Amino acid sequence: DQQVKQNSPSLSVQEGRISILNCDYTNSMFDYFLWYKKYPAEGPTFLISISSIKDKNEDGRFTVFLNKSAKHLSLHIVPSQPGDSAVYFCAASAAGYALNFGKGTSLLVTP
Amino acid sequence: DSGVTQTPKHLITATGQRVTLRCSPRSGDLSVYWYQQSLDQGLQFLIQYYNGEERAKGNILERFSAQQFPDLHSELNLSSLELGDSALYFCASSEGGPSYNEQFFGPGTRLTVL
Repeated sequence: DQQVKQNSPSLSVQEGRISILNCDYTNSMFDYFLWYKKYPAEGPTFLISISSIKDKNEDGRFTVFLNKSAKHLSLHIVPSQPGDSAVYFCAASAAGYALNFGKGTSLLVTP
Repeated sequence: DSGVTQTPKHLITATGQRVTLRCSPRSGDLSVYWYQQSLDQGLQFLIQYYNGEERAKGNILERFSAQQFPDLHSELNLSSLELGDSALYFCASSEGGPSYNEQFFGPGTRLTVL
């Protein structure tokens, strides 16, 4: 049973524009949410996270928004750069236990 | 470089065989996690060890087992291999403890079962 869902398998955005990646979850016990970035032939790399007590966390060009009532989070990348092209995984954790991952969204940023 | 190492990088074997994947966590990290990424699936959590003890179990088959040694490295043993076990296997480590700590992933082991 997939508790974390990324319904868009792929997204294409022009360089300089905003990329918005979405993620939905079903388990209300999740209290920590993360985004990982993955290049081919490499392991996932941590990008940004948010605790359930917050609704927004920002780190440079990356902002994660959390809407607990809708069980939805999103990752905004502004401005998007070609080097951002990768697969982005949304993940959630309950009480410090293992991460539940979505299936990923492949982002392509075109020049 | 995350500081997590995994060996081997690639493994090709036949159905029915047994293999061992190895993971060395980042220095100081007490928790080790194993994940499987199949072609059509996201990362699926298999099992977690914390300071040598099993802490949580996910979708791990009975044919699979793992352990964490006193030096904190971990091994994932896959036996009676089937074609469907072909996947990328990732190890991750974190400081551990009761609250969430960021997990750092190794580069993965690509297992191909022929």
